[in-house]
Amino acid sequence: SQQGEEDPQALSIQEGENATMNCSYKTSINNLQWYRQNSGRGLVHLILIRSNEREKHSGRLRVTLDTSKKSSSLLITASRAADTASYFCATDPGSYGQNFVFGPGTRLSVLP
Amino acid sequence: NAGVTQTPKFRVLKTGQSMTLLCAQDMNHEYMYWYRQDPGMGLRLIHYSVGEGTTAKGEVPDGYNVSRLKKQNFLLGLESAAPSQTSVYFCASSQSQGSREQFFGPGTRLTVL
Repeated sequence: SQQGEEDPQALSIQEGENATMNCSYKTSINNLQWYRQNSGRGLVHLILIRSNEREKHSGRLRVTLDTSKKSSSLLITASRAADTASYFCATDPGSYGQNFVFGPGTRLSVLP
Repeated sequence: NAGVTQTPKFRVLKTGQSMTLLCAQDMNHEYMYWYRQDPGMGLRLIHYSVGEGTTAKGEVPDGYNVSRLKKQNFLLGLESAAPSQTSVYFCASSQSQGSREQFFGPGTRLTVL
């Protein structure tokens, strides 16, 4: 069963605007990670936030985590056409024998 | 440093045929994974390995077998392909400790007719 669920499923914005994607999950986690997938390619790791962190920044990316609500958000500021991709959250329970669970993803289109 | 590589990139099979997908990583990672990606479903874990000589079932293991004879290689086999196995298959690897950030291969697009 899917644990991570992204919202919205698809998002279309103009270049320069900010894009916000949300992820909800169901059970306890050690960390939550965001990945990007360009069309026809494999996933690439973007950023990780640990369960004891509330916010993390990396360049134009800002991730928040609310463990009480079991949710996370990914904000991409000043978006560019090159940001067009699908974005996935993945929850890591951190326990041996328990694996990542990926959500279905948000498809972001940044229009020039 | 190639990272994670997968062969082949594309393959078309007829129902009942068999094939093996090869994944190789050069990062000395302990953990390796096979996922399948279907439209609107995200990635689903097929099988994984926590070290050379060990394998375990993931979320959707039926119809697949795996082997990890060498640390750097993880093979995914389809003994008797079915149309339901039409998908894009991704291999990934990660360290066993720390963040366990996963590094993905470019994928194999498999069509079963």
